Amino acid sequence: AQKITQTQPGMFVQEKEAVTLDCTYDTSDPSYGLFWYKQPSSGEMIFLIYQGSYDQQNATEGRYSLNFQKARKSANLVISASQLGDSAMYFCAMREGTSGTYKYIFGTGTRLKVLA
Amino acid sequence: DVKVTQSSRYLVKRTGEKVFLECVQDMDHENMFWYRQDPGLGLRLIYFSYDVKMKEKGDIPEGYSVSREKKERFSLILESASTNQTSMYLCASSPDGNTEAFFGQGTRLTVV
Repeated sequence: AQKITQTQPGMFVQEKEAVTLDCTYDTSDPSYGLFWYKQPSSGEMIFLIYQGSYDQQNATEGRYSLNFQKARKSANLVISASQLGDSAMYFCAMREGTSGTYKYIFGTGTRLKVLA
Repeated sequence: DVKVTQSSRYLVKRTGEKVFLECVQDMDHENMFWYRQDPGLGLRLIYFSYDVKMKEKGDIPEGYSVSREKKERFSLILESASTNQTSMYLCASSPDGNTEAFFGQGTRLTVV
């Protein structure tokens, strides 16, 4: 079973509009972490935002916010006021395991295209 | 700034060759990871290591092995390269599970 599911292979958004990228996860651990990364066409992986499973508030970083709904096991990324430079592949990831032997599990990604 | 460096950006190897992909991090991170990235499949974990000489299999370890003799270096080895191992390989490191993984620039490996 997929532990991280991103159901949107591709999305379009108009410049200056907000967009939500979906991510659902599956774990029975009470302690986990959720991450979003951006991968532009150049290939580097850029960390955007982190949400811990015990965090009460949704994480925000500038124009990025993470809509964390624990009961639904969803961790959607919201990008406000989209810019042309936001066009990229976006990956949702979950940190699984605790202490020393943890690992990051990634979804299949969503390719976002921002239209002028 | 954390730096994770992969030895090659592009690599072309022949079927049956033994291939070494090297990864070095400069921030004294305990944990290191190797992923492969394929279109439509996202990043899949091959192996990870939480200490020197310690390693754990990820989701797709078949056809690969790893070596971690020093804390800063984590090597991925393709014992006998095959065409289905043509892919983008990404190395990452992390100090702890509440922090993001820091990635190298990736190695695009083509096996012909």
